[in-house]
Amino acid sequence: EVQLLESGGGLAQPGGSLRLSCAASGLTFRNYAMSWVRQAPGEGPEWVSTISWSGSSTWYADSVKGRFTISRDNSKNTLYLQINGLRPEDTATYYCAKGGGDYNPFDYWGQGTLVTVSS
Amino acid sequence: ATRMTQSPSSLSASTGDRVTITCRASQGVYSYLAWYQQKPGKAPKLLIYAASTLQSGVPSRFSGSGSGTDFTLTISCLQSEDFAIYYCQQYYSYPLTFGGGTRVEIK
Repeated sequence: EVQLLESGGGLAQPGGSLRLSCAASGLTFRNYAMSWVRQAPGEGPEWVSTISWSGSSTWYADSVKGRFTISRDNSKNTLYLQINGLRPEDTATYYCAKGGGDYNPFDYWGQGTLVTVSS
Repeated sequence: ATRMTQSPSSLSASTGDRVTITCRASQGVYSYLAWYQQKPGKAPKLLIYAASTLQSGVPSRFSGSGSGTDFTLTISCLQSEDFAIYYCQQYYSYPLTFGGGTRVEIK
């Protein structure tokens, strides 16, 4: 059974930083592109970033480009999202999802981790 | 960016009803179109991909059709567990984009 478990969310001040992690199990992690998708309260999902299976290619939404960095450690089956320069509009539940690259949908999702940006 | 427009934004229906939700892409996405179901407090769940392929484990009352710019999700006989929000999403080009959602409520 595929499981994706996010961690690292919490309350942060505007301009601050957080590092989100997603521990994957039940799949051959190194074979798949992985993504982060966020959802602000009461809103629909918003794609944030995707990383290729090898980590050599990354893609970002314009709203986070230059502030967020996606990375992965295939030896640890873990996906990361480094978030810098936090803004109130970054407040959302952040989901880790399998897919998003190579013309693949998001077929597995984690339970999400809530990031709240407020002073 | 490819804009995804869903209609209606909400609908009320009864169990046993046939429900149709449409999704229009601002530019062609071939068949790289997925449908997700989301219930309160839960992550979205993949129902259909490649516009019409049912994800493993999803009941056959769900079906999808379309290609290019116009797509449809149909629930043939609405069940109580189907009351949720449904989103379409294109995965043809970056940025990957979702529709605004359709809330299916109990009449």
